[in-house]
Order: sequence, then C-alpha cells, then structure tokens
Amino acid sequence: AQSVTQLGSHVSVSEGALVLLRCNYSSSVPPYLFWYVQYPNQGLQLLLKYTTGATLVKGINGFEAEFKKSETSFHLTKPSAHMSDAAEYFCAVSEWRSGGGADGLTFGKGTHLIIQP
Amino acid sequence: NAGVMQNPRHLVRRRGQEARLRCSPMKGHSHVYWYRQLPEEGLKFMVYLQKENIIDESGMPKERFSAEFPKEGPSILRIQQVVRGDSAAYFCASSSDSSRELFFGEGSRLTVL
Repeated sequence: AQSVTQLGSHVSVSEGALVLLRCNYSSSVPPYLFWYVQYPNQGLQLLLKYTTGATLVKGINGFEAEFKKSETSFHLTKPSAHMSDAAEYFCAVSEWRSGGGADGLTFGKGTHLIIQP
Repeated sequence: NAGVMQNPRHLVRRRGQEARLRCSPMKGHSHVYWYRQLPEEGLKFMVYLQKENIIDESGMPKERFSAEFPKEGPSILRIQQVVRGDSAAYFCASSSDSSRELFFGEGSRLTVL
C-alpha cells in the first residue's frame, strides 16, 4: 500500500525567501509522484510530476522537486517566494494498476503555505 | 478542450435529503475518480470508475453512497439520507488510458444543514 507524509501542516516564509515543502512517500513499486496546488475554493492544479528519468523535475510557477529514492522523498522547492504562491500544496503518489489506467492518487494531508510580506 | 466539469459547484441539503453530484470527464478520458476533502484534511479516495464499471470502491462508505459512470452521460456520485458529516468538498478527476496524470474539476461543495 502506498502512503504520503507531508511534514508541517503550515509553512510560513517571507516574500523572496526559499520555499521548501517536504514530502515523504512509501510505495511497493517504483512510484509516480506529483505535487498539486489548490487555491481557495478551487480545484487542484498540477504543479509538476515525476514519472521516470531525470530526478529533478521542473514545474510551473518556478517550482521544482527532486526525487530521492534512497530517502523516499520528493520535496518541493522554489528559490524565491511570491505573494501569489500562498495556497495549499498536496503531494501525491500513484501506483500503476496492472489492468491499465492510473491507480488513482494517494494524497498527503497538505501543507498550507503562508507568505509574509 | 474543456476540462473536467463538475456541477453543481455548491449544493445545500437538509439532513435526510439526497445529494447528486455530477462529473463530466475531459474529452477522451475514460477513467473517473471521486475524492472527498474535509476541512483541514487532504483528499481521500472514494471510488474509481470506467465506463459502466466500478473498478475500485474501497474508499466509499458502505451505506448511503453510490457512484456510477454510464455509457452515456456524466458520472454521478449519489449520497442518500445526507447527514451533517457528509458536508465536504467532493472532487472528480479523470485520466486517459495511457497516462497516470489526473485532471481535477473545480469540486462540488456540499453543505448539510
């Protein structure tokens, strides 16, 4: 069974500072990993994903994440925070279903990112 | 190319009534997933459907909840005899046969009075 742990339900950073949101996962097979962002009263938008290949993945809005198999981690970073980055961020893991189709996603509980002016 | 469409966006029901939430997947997608989001919590998987088939309903409550994805028309999540604890945001997502990426709708927010 797969699971996701996001450390810190709330993270506060100053505008212009480094953003680091932590995600650790467990999976019985090589996972696909995702970060989604959710703005208030909206759906989830994909920030980036890791499937295979390069372990450093670049996404939208200047975010990137690095898959570290030895640490079972997929932390999300951004060099310089903007006020518009304030939102809820979800890490998710997927295992491919043998019969085809995605296995759905298992989500972490989310991290609320607060940007201080 | 329209995204995943959910309606209604907001639904208010009194205890004991029925709630029906609809989801039209992205064009060309045949896999539909329903998730529930409670305040201050992440998204919890409820059910995974393909056309006319329930593939995995391990996250669905045993009673009062049902889902379908008919050959024609949208997927429907049905909650009978709603209780206050059913108040949540319900998200639908869809994917294609060849991709693990899920595309999410804007969600349907159910409030039970």
